[in-house]
Order: sequence, then structure tokens, then C-alpha cells
Amino acid sequence: DAEITQSPRHKITETGRQVTLACHQTWNHNNMFWYRQDLGHGLRLIHYSYGVQDTNKGEVSDGYSVSRSNTEDLPLTLESAASSQTSVYFCASSRGYNSPLHFGNGTRLTVT
Amino acid sequence: AQSVAQPEDQVNVAEGNPLTVKCTYSVSGNPYLFWYVQYPNRGLQFLLKYITGDNLVKGSYGFEAEFNKSQTSFHLKKPSALVSDSALYFCAVVEDTGRRALTFGSGTRLQVQP
Repeated sequence: DAEITQSPRHKITETGRQVTLACHQTWNHNNMFWYRQDLGHGLRLIHYSYGVQDTNKGEVSDGYSVSRSNTEDLPLTLESAASSQTSVYFCASSRGYNSPLHFGNGTRLTVT
Repeated sequence: AQSVAQPEDQVNVAEGNPLTVKCTYSVSGNPYLFWYVQYPNRGLQFLLKYITGDNLVKGSYGFEAEFNKSQTSFHLKKPSALVSDSALYFCAVVEDTGRRALTFGSGTRLQVQP
């Protein structure tokens, strides 16, 4: 069965370190998204991509970057981790912009 | 700009009673609307969507939602709640103008008491 997987499930890092969260999907979807989930804020969009070599900023993109070199993967990089980036991060993919999103199980990131 | 509001942080309902989880939206164009459910330590799961057509949309697990354009609302409903429906529910919207991504509400925790 097709799926979307995130790794690692849990990560603890120190302030100032670079961190990369992986996202891999086997749906063959063109669209991929990164959201962060924080209490009281729901899910907020960080970056998204509508295909290879395409990336777009979301509402909370500062301090984050993505690259899309193939259809399956959209890694999320925190250039210099900050305590404010402690959160649960979800990757998702979809066939079209009005199609349902398929979510991974999330990565819980703690920045100390 | 697109936005979603879920005015209730938590909804409590007794098992067997009907439930409603409220959602209102704001978009410039026409909306595509979604409901998702999240269980502990899991990603969100799709429940149902409104794209066009019939204002009453039926989805998974007996849930349905009613699109009301004049009130810009898309409330989630179920005729008879189950304890297993207890979870976090998210409403989401995207405009029909293309190259946009879903905007989610802040979520509503549904607690169904036995």
C-alpha cells in the first residue's frame, strides 16, 4: 500500500544546530506540504511544493527551508534551531490542490 | 487570504446524542472545505470534503457536514455519537484559485461520555 513516512519520530537537538526532518511518500503525488502543530494554533503551513524543483513559502517559513529534487521526498531543514521551533511537524501529500491530504505520523522535535 | 475559525476548543456530548462541531471560513473566491480527525500520536485522517454540488456532504464513520454559503459555515455533524469518536477535529479550507495550500482551524476536541 502507498504511504507517507516521516523520520525520525522523535528528535532532541540543541539551539543553533542544523536539523533535517525527512518525508518520503510512495503515492506518486506531485503536491507535498510541511505543517507544524502547536497547542492553540492548530496546523500552520511552513512550506509546500507542487512538483520537482518547485517550492513555496507558507505562513511560518522563517528559519526553515525545503528542496524538492524528486517526486517522493521533501526534506525540511531548520537552518539554526531555536527553542521556538519546538513542535510536532507533519508532512502531507496530495494528488491535487483540492484533493484530500495524506499525512505522515509526525516528528516531535525538541530544541533545548 | 483564506482563514478558518473553530469557535469551540472542546465539545462534550453523551454517547448516543447528536453532535455538532462548528466551523466558519473566509475566502476571496469559492471554497473547497475539508474535515480531518486526529487521534493521539497520529497524523490527521481525512473525513469528508465539499467541492461543489449538494450542500450536505457525507463522509467516513457516519459523519456529515453542511455547507452554508450565506453563513460561510461548514459544520460537522453526526446523528449519534460514539465514545470512539472522541478525538481532535480540524476544519480546513483552500480557495479555488489554484496554487494554494490548505489552511487549518485551531481544532476542536470532541469528548463523548459513556
